[in-house]
Amino acid sequence: DAKTTQPNSMESNEEEPVHLPCNHSTISGTDYIHWYRQLPSQGPEYVIHGLTSNVNNRMASLAIAEDRKSSTLILHRATLRDAAVYYCILRDWAGGFKTIFGAGTRLFVKA
Amino acid sequence: GAVVSQHPSRVICKSGTSVKIECRSLDFQATTMFWYRQFPKQSLMLMATSNEGSKATYEQGVEKDKFLINHASLTLSTLTVTSAHPEDSSFYICSASSLAGANEQFFGPGTRLTVL
Repeated sequence: DAKTTQPNSMESNEEEPVHLPCNHSTISGTDYIHWYRQLPSQGPEYVIHGLTSNVNNRMASLAIAEDRKSSTLILHRATLRDAAVYYCILRDWAGGFKTIFGAGTRLFVKA
Repeated sequence: GAVVSQHPSRVICKSGTSVKIECRSLDFQATTMFWYRQFPKQSLMLMATSNEGSKATYEQGVEKDKFLINHASLTLSTLTVTSAHPEDSSFYICSASSLAGANEQFFGPGTRLTVL
């Protein structure tokens, strides 16, 4: 399974944008880039996913590098409720869409 | 989005007993369900993948006789922790995806198991 590398933790101020990076240099052509987040004592929550083009939804934006070896999750205005562990995951349809979690980035949001 | 539920949300049991955890897809048919466990301050670890009507595929290092998985219908999968011991205490999370939306995976809220 292709792996992802994320910073252990990041800090942001409330109401400011947050850019969460993810490196996936061994990504294959059939890997989709997914982002999930997990609040304490809860199951992961889907945030966004993409293949090649940048994606936007109501929660966040996903910027994918042209070579697809890295991506960035963008939270446009962080709130205290965005404090969570964010996981960048590669899901391969050829591998049955098995989702393997890395360590993730713990996001701290300061009021 | 699609909803996945788990029952119970918390369970405390004595060492040596078996515990069953249910995972249900409430508004879609889940052709594939996944079971994870998560220890405090750690990431989720995939235990097994189950497809409806067939035997589960376990990840390396996961004892299939210890963690029995049944996926008898398109909306229900169960994980039974047999002869539970304190080291099995963990947060167990299931997820599900459908054939139509195989690229999306929906997670349950998790079950906290404590073995005394």
